[in-house]
Amino acid sequence: DVKVTQSSRYLVKRTGEKVFLECVQDMDHENMFWYRQDPGLGLRLIYFSYDVKMKEKGDIPEGYSVSREKKERFSLILESASTNQTSMYLCASSRSGASNTGELFFGEGSRLTVL
Amino acid sequence: GDSVTQMEGPVTLSEEAFLTINCTYTATGYPSLFWYVQYPGEGLQLLLKATKADDKGSNKGFEATYRKETTSFHLEKGSVQVSDSAVYFCALLGDYKLSFGAGTTVTVRA
Repeated sequence: DVKVTQSSRYLVKRTGEKVFLECVQDMDHENMFWYRQDPGLGLRLIYFSYDVKMKEKGDIPEGYSVSREKKERFSLILESASTNQTSMYLCASSRSGASNTGELFFGEGSRLTVL
Repeated sequence: GDSVTQMEGPVTLSEEAFLTINCTYTATGYPSLFWYVQYPGEGLQLLLKATKADDKGSNKGFEATYRKETTSFHLEKGSVQVSDSAVYFCALLGDYKLSFGAGTTVTVRA
């Protein structure tokens, strides 16, 4: 069964802490994405990566960075967490090129609370 | 830029009622359109899609037709069940990424 796995379902951090959210996919997908989901705002793209060591800013990259050292793993980093980063974070992956049908495969999400 | 607007919720229905969730889009060209569903406690999953004008996507009793003239992709189901309670997201594929609507929460009562 194909899967996107996010390492933590629930996290509670303090303002100013460095936070790592990990995501692993087992589908050999080239593309990986990080979204945040907030009520009334839907999903907003933070960063995405179309290859190892490649990254592109999405719509709301401020306050975030990412790392993709291996094809199957995509990490989201909050260098100094703030309360306005309290949210649900969703990782997704997809095929690329001619195989890209637009279908994203999502993890179950990581709910981060910053106090 | 590309954007999707879907009707606000929440929507509460009784079992066997008819469900419609409106979705309109703004985009250059003719993007592929999608409906994703998020059941409680789960990640989003693709419900259906359409890749060109007049295409109808369908799955699990849900349908949506790509209407170029009205730039719409409304989701419909003729008889909902309690198990259809979820958050529904309309989305379009522009260039390299998906743009999502705000989501509509649907609750179906027995």
